[in-house]
Amino acid sequence: DQQVKQNSPSLSVQEGRISILNCDYTNSMFDYFLWYKKYPAEGPTFLISISSIKDKNEDGRFTVFLNKSAKHLSLHIVPSQPGDSAVYFCASKRSGYSTLTFGKGTMLLVSP
Amino acid sequence: IAGITQAPTSQILAAGRRMTLRCTQDMRHNAMYWYRQDLGLGLRLIHYSNTAGTTGKGEVPDGYSVSRANTDDFPLTLASAVPSQTSVYFCASSEQPTGELFFGEGSRLTVL
Repeated sequence: DQQVKQNSPSLSVQEGRISILNCDYTNSMFDYFLWYKKYPAEGPTFLISISSIKDKNEDGRFTVFLNKSAKHLSLHIVPSQPGDSAVYFCASKRSGYSTLTFGKGTMLLVSP
Repeated sequence: IAGITQAPTSQILAAGRRMTLRCTQDMRHNAMYWYRQDLGLGLRLIHYSNTAGTTGKGEVPDGYSVSRANTDDFPLTLASAVPSQTSVYFCASSEQPTGELFFGEGSRLTVL
């Protein structure tokens, strides 16, 4: 059973608008959450993370929100730029465990 | 700074053949990981190593083996390749087992 779910395979947004990527998790033991960005023919790169003790973390145009009661997190990109077009993976982990569990990814397309 | 180097970049392999994917990191990271990326399935962990001399099984370990003789190298071996192992393989490392992952560029493997 999938423990990290990204239910939207793709998302299209116009340049300058907000992109919202969603992620749900089922394992209540997860306490650290990350977003990775992946361009074609490249490895994923770390984007932003959030600990379960917080409900928001911001880094420039990127903000991650965590709703623990709903087991839901979202990545907001404002304003979206064409260079943001990529596949975004949500990942989660438990304290004391070394491995990340990834979602299936959401392909974001930002059009000019 | 090279980071993580994977080889080969791409390989076509006959079913039943043995194949080793190489991964080397120059960041002196303790933990290393192998993931496979398949369309619609996201990134799935094959094997990991929290420190030199130790390894562990991930989500999809069957048909694969790893070794961690030293800090820098973490090869992934397919003893007898099957078509279902056609995938893009990513090696990753982290400074500590609980830290952010740094990924290589990937190795695209096709098993015919």
